[in-house]
Amino acid sequence: NAGVTQTPKFQVLKTGQSMTLQCAQDMNHEYMSWYRQDPGMGLRLIHYSVGAGITDQGEVPNGYNVSRSTTEDFPLRLLSAAPSQTSVYFCASNPSGGGVLGQYFGPGTRLTVT
Amino acid sequence: AQKITQTQPGMFVQEKEAVTLDCTYDTSDPSYGLFWYKQPSSGEMIFLIYQGSYDQQNATEGRYSLNFQKARKSANLVISASQLGDSAMYFCAMREAGNQFYFGTGTSLTVIP
Repeated sequence: NAGVTQTPKFQVLKTGQSMTLQCAQDMNHEYMSWYRQDPGMGLRLIHYSVGAGITDQGEVPNGYNVSRSTTEDFPLRLLSAAPSQTSVYFCASNPSGGGVLGQYFGPGTRLTVT
Repeated sequence: AQKITQTQPGMFVQEKEAVTLDCTYDTSDPSYGLFWYKQPSSGEMIFLIYQGSYDQQNATEGRYSLNFQKARKSANLVISASQLGDSAMYFCAMREAGNQFYFGTGTSLTVIP
């Protein structure tokens, strides 16, 4: 199993550009989430999905869109990048039954918006 | 109100000593899970230990143990016999019944040789 994969690992955008961060998991997990990590702020939830076709907003959803057309994939779209979106982005998945291992994390994407 | 509070932004510990990282949580769900993750400088999130709200005993995983005090809503991580490789950020997290996770702001641990 590859677990949770994210691409790209690094990205530099100019203000106003759009892009999609890719996330995929091969564990058949129902739940998938996107977080952003900023210094001193911990991980903040952007959007999450409880299954294919179902998404919902987290704590900091503004400026981001998501969709979940398949169980495996959960892309995060930045519509018009802003310097405030400079951050490290983590995708995570977990089974719906809970489990003692919590969430499985991807390696992260480091995004810089200039 | 914060769901997870970690009040120690940074901690130092001497190699081979034990260290306790504090975590308090806030929930009204009777069923929840508590987790600790380690994030080394390389950036990946590594699962360390889990405690379920109905577990009677404190969880242990090797040198990691979770000091679970349900009435006080605290879930402190204890690392025994610290090693240089333990230097990292540590995050406390909680999963509520709806399967949503909440993370604390983290504690940066530095192990001094």
